[in-house]
Amino acid sequence: GDSVTQMEGPVTLSEEAFLTINCTYTATGYPSLFWYVQYPGEGLQLLLKATKADDKGSNKGFEATYRKETTSFHLEKGSVQVSDSAVYFCALRQNTGNQFYFGTGTSLTVIP
Amino acid sequence: DVKVTQSSRYLVKRTGEKVFLECVQDMDHENMFWYRQDPGLGLRLIYFSYDVKMKEKGDIPEGYSVSREKKERFSLILESASTNQTSMYLCASSPTGTQFFGPGTRLTVL
Repeated sequence: GDSVTQMEGPVTLSEEAFLTINCTYTATGYPSLFWYVQYPGEGLQLLLKATKADDKGSNKGFEATYRKETTSFHLEKGSVQVSDSAVYFCALRQNTGNQFYFGTGTSLTVIP
Repeated sequence: DVKVTQSSRYLVKRTGEKVFLECVQDMDHENMFWYRQDPGLGLRLIYFSYDVKMKEKGDIPEGYSVSREKKERFSLILESASTNQTSMYLCASSPTGTQFFGPGTRLTVL
């Protein structure tokens, strides 16, 4: 079945460091891929998405590229800030349905 | 902006109680979802609904039921709460594509 695997956390970085959170997926066909972010005490918010191969989603300095050849959608940011401290979830949705499949989440802490 | 609201942010109940978690969305979305979120397990789908009075089981429906009498409201029901249902419960709604989440309800069952 469809599934998403993302890197184990927690991740701790210093401010202005480079961030990569790995995400790979297993799915038939051509799913849409998403990154959601959950700030402390809140629900999930959409961070970015990509709907087809080679698409790049971007928002708030974060980027992820849909790589079908490696079934990956890694999240990157060139310079993290303390305010980026949150839990990040990778997810996929098949275009023929409405069900989402989420990864287990990666906790990021950015220290000044 | 899409708004998804949940009836309580924090809830404490006793074992055996019947518990209702309410979710309301204001964007006329057809699809609504209930998840539970536990450390190390991520989000797990309990139930979803793609129309009024329609429901589908997710990955972990045991011990839960749902009700969708109106398009904007999707209720999660714990018929007899147990301690292993202590968790964060997240509601989401979706037209097609992106899901929009509520703030979550942290339920503690004593």
